[in-house]
Amino acid sequence: NAGVTQTPKFQVLKTGQSMTLQCAQDMNHNSMYWYRQDPGMGLRLIYYSASEGTTDKGEVPNGYNVSRLNKREFSLRLESAAPSQTSVYFCASSEQFFSPLHFGNGTRLTVT
Amino acid sequence: ELKVEQNPLFLSMQEGKNYTIYCNYSTTSDRLYWYRQDPGKSLESLFVLLSNGAVKQEGRLMASLDTKARLSTLHITAAVHDLSATYFCAVDDGTGGGADGLTFGKGTHLIIQP
Repeated sequence: NAGVTQTPKFQVLKTGQSMTLQCAQDMNHNSMYWYRQDPGMGLRLIYYSASEGTTDKGEVPNGYNVSRLNKREFSLRLESAAPSQTSVYFCASSEQFFSPLHFGNGTRLTVT
Repeated sequence: ELKVEQNPLFLSMQEGKNYTIYCNYSTTSDRLYWYRQDPGKSLESLFVLLSNGAVKQEGRLMASLDTKARLSTLHITAAVHDLSATYFCAVDDGTGGGADGLTFGKGTHLIIQP
């Protein structure tokens, strides 16, 4: 049982380049999330999707877009990468109502 | 805006000792979660606390929730090296039916030395 799978694991971009981070879950969860983790900052929510067909902004959405492609997949796109987007990105999923988040293994992104 | 504060942010302790990590949050909530993260790894769910007075225990770790004080504690008993990790608390503010994500504290980096 794979759980939450993120690709790629590592990525280096130049300022202004674009890329899409992929996330898929096989637990039939309704809700999916993208967080970024920066040293000393904990995890901050970028976007979330409460159910298939819906997406909403989290705490730090600027510079990002998302797509909930189907119930399994939730992608995060950086249209024009900036050094401030250097971070570790985690995708997560959950059943609604009181269940914990299940996290992927993360994507370590460096923007030079 | 929900704020979640953990303290201490860094803790170095000896094996065999007891210690407590504190998690305070700023708005009413009765849903709090504790996670563990090993260096370079993902986050693993430890405890889910869903009501005032909830207490959960797993091995040498025990978590509790006081919703009136807006406080959760993670208590470590007779620490062992394997518990070295970063511990996060996270709170659901309850406005999105549980589907709009959690707000995380900054984490407590715990080092347990022999």
